[in-house]
Formats: sequence, C-alpha cells, structure tokens
Amino acid sequence: EIQMTQSPSSLSASVGDRVTITCRASQSISSYLNWYQQIPGKAPNVLIYAASNLQSGVASRFSGSGSGTDFTLTISSLQPEDFATYYCQQSYSTPYTFGQGTKLEI
Amino acid sequence: QITLKESGPTLVKPTQTLTLTCTFSGFSLSTSGVGVGWIRQPPGKALEWLALIFWDDDKRYRPSLKTRLTITQDTSKSHVVLTMTNVAPVDTGTYYCVRLHTAYEEHHFFDPWGQGTLVTVSS
Repeated sequence: EIQMTQSPSSLSASVGDRVTITCRASQSISSYLNWYQQIPGKAPNVLIYAASNLQSGVASRFSGSGSGTDFTLTISSLQPEDFATYYCQQSYSTPYTFGQGTKLEI
Repeated sequence: QITLKESGPTLVKPTQTLTLTCTFSGFSLSTSGVGVGWIRQPPGKALEWLALIFWDDDKRYRPSLKTRLTITQDTSKSHVVLTMTNVAPVDTGTYYCVRLHTAYEEHHFFDPWGQGTLVTVSS
C-alpha cells in the first residue's frame, strides 16, 4: 500500500496570500496524483488530476506540480472560499490512498 | 448532469451487516473507463477508500477490509451496493459514493461525489 504524507497538517494564511501544500508518496507514482478540496460539511471536489491538470470549472489560481514522489498544490492568491481542507490522493495503484489532509485556516 | 446519492441506515448495531446503496444518473457503468466506488470519512478524520467496481465488473477492495466488503452493481437500475459485515464502532463515519473517471493514460480520479451519508455504529 502506497502511503501519502501531506505537509503541513494545518496552515494559517490570509486572503491574498500565496500558499503551497506538499504531498509525498512512499514510492514513485509517476504523475498519478490528484488533489481534492473539502469545505466543512460538504463532500470533497477534485481540483487537480494527473498532478498538474486543472479540472474543468476550477479557478485558475489553483495549480499542481510534481512527479515521482513529491508533489505540490499551490493557490496563487487565497480567496475567502478557499479556506477548507485539502487532500492528495494517488491513483497509481489500488488500494487508492489519501493523504491525511491539510486544513487551511484564516 | 451526473449525480450520485447514497442511501441506507443511519444507525447500525455492532456485529450487524451494513448495506449501502448508491443510486446514480447521468452516466453508464457499462462505459469503458468508468467505475463507481465508496469512500468513507470517520468524524474529524481523513478520507479512506473502501471499494470500487469498474465498467468491466472488475472489483477492488481495501485490503484491510476485504473479507468484510462486497460491492455489486445493478446496471439495469443504475445502482451500486456496498455491504460491510460485522460492523464495529470504528466503522462510524460518513460514507460517500463516487464516480471514478478516467482521463488520459489511465489517470483516474473521483468526480463527482455523492452528498454522503452518516452511519453510526452503536448499541
């Protein structure tokens, strides 16, 4: 089973800040990495798939990069609606696994 | 528009069997590259993938729960059913039904998600 580790676990930021969240896989997963946003009380939504592809309808301030074992999610200019929990997930092999989440707070 | 909705009991007693149904519309589970799966989230904790059924009826399970899980499909009625035997309080959480979408080169991701259903295991 591939382990996914996110850092930091929580992050305080302000509107307008540039924020980066890191995800590390326990083995190489090429670019089989997805990012999800979960607003409290809601189901997650995909932001980025295949490490760097922006899902249709997602704001362009979100971007993803990386390959192999190290990946990043960047929000270029935080908006109020971005305060949520973010998860990475590997789709390289089953069992699909998620990171522990990064809670982005004001 | 693609939608998925979970249904099932909100309260289950320990050792009982939990049966959850995902009713979906807007896509066909017979389409190549498509799957339907289940993901759960204990209160205040991270997401945990449980099971997946692919368009070709290939089924995958979380290894640690494999002996307790069964996923089946009913393509004529657009339902996927997950059964979990011998539940315990640690199985308490929100259970999400998801569509697995395949982009290029077998890149899979979960989109969209159902609203989730909270299941509590308690005597």
